[in-house]
Formats: sequence, structure tokens, C-alpha cells
Amino acid sequence: GENVEQHPSTLSVQEGDSAVIKCTYSDSASNYFPWYKQELGKRPQLIIDIRSNVGEKKDQRIAVTLNKTAKHFSLHITETQPEDSAVYFCAAADGLTFGKGTHLIIQP
Amino acid sequence: DGGITQSPKYLFRKEGQNVTLSCEQNLNHDAMYWYRQDPGQGLRLIYYSQIVNDFQKGDIAEGYSVSREKKESFPLTVTSAQKNPTAFYLCASSRRLGGDTYEQYFGPGTRLTVT
Repeated sequence: GENVEQHPSTLSVQEGDSAVIKCTYSDSASNYFPWYKQELGKRPQLIIDIRSNVGEKKDQRIAVTLNKTAKHFSLHITETQPEDSAVYFCAAADGLTFGKGTHLIIQP
Repeated sequence: DGGITQSPKYLFRKEGQNVTLSCEQNLNHDAMYWYRQDPGQGLRLIYYSQIVNDFQKGDIAEGYSVSREKKESFPLTVTSAQKNPTAFYLCASSRRLGGDTYEQYFGPGTRLTVT
């Protein structure tokens, strides 16, 4: 089955700086890569996704890049704000196999 | 936050007892899923169902059972065979985006504590 590795497990950045979270996957047949945000005590919610026929996708301050050859994809958050503090999960294998999550901390 | 609900929010059971977690959705989604979330472990797939009366094991199905008698409902039973049942359980449903890709909508979760 698919194996998804996510790094780092914890990321602390100053407010206003950028944050990057990376994931690698093992199954070259995977073609859908969503990112979910889970705020403390709340359910995960989809924030952005990318399909294998696209190399990059942006939505305001967040973007996702995909390198199919290297089998890795990344979440980029620019101009970070306090409300970006949460746990972020990547997923592959049709969106059913998740990474272990990254706890993003925005320092004021 | 409506659309997919789980009950109860907190559940306590004694070791050796089976317990059933409820999951209901009114989104008219065909597919439903159960995940287990442990600290530092992410979300691990227990069971999923793509249509009524059909379901498949996920990565950690041992000690769990499910049923899918109605499109709206996908209850999960944690049996006494599950060796470490204390965890946060998330139910999800999904709409098909095209091909074999799905956007998942999660319920609020049930925190199960077994002592």
C-alpha cells in the first residue's frame, strides 16, 4: 500500500514569515494530493489540493507544489498569521492515506 | 459545521466491552470512512464504504467492525479484541471529484476512553 512521510512534525515560525511542510509518497500511481488543516479541538478541513497533472496550485496565501518524478509535494504558507496555527495533514493514495501531521506554531 | 455528525462526543467504557460509535451524514455522499487519530500518528484508516451494503478494511481494521445498511449511516463497533481502543475516532464522508479522487468531509469526532 501507499506510504506517506510528512516533515517536520513541528514547525515554529515568526508571524509574517513563510512556512513549508513537505510530504513524500511511495506509490507512483497516486494522483490526488490534498492538504487538511485541523485546529485544536476541531475536525480536519480541506484547505487545498492538487492533482498529478498539475505542478503547482495557489489559493491566496497558500500554495501546493508537486514533483511527480521525485514523488514529493509541499505546502507553502506565506505571510503567516496567528490563525494559521494548527496541525496540517497531507494525504495521497486517492486522499485516503495520511501523513502523521505537522504542528505549525506561529510566534507573535 | 453541519452535514456529518458523530455521537457521543466523549465515551467511556470498561475493558472487555464492545462499544458502537455513531456516524450520520445528510450530504448524500456515497462513500464513508472511519479513521483513528492518536498523538503523533496522524489519521489511520480503519474501514471505508463506497456504497451501501459494501465496505472494505483499511490499514488497521483488526478489532473493529462496521455496517452500512443505509447511505446516511456508517456505525463503527470497537470490539473487545481491539488491544488499544482508547483514541479519537473520526468519521468522514466524501464526494467524488473525478477519477479516483475524493474530497473528505470530517465529523467532529468521538473521544473513546477504555479503562
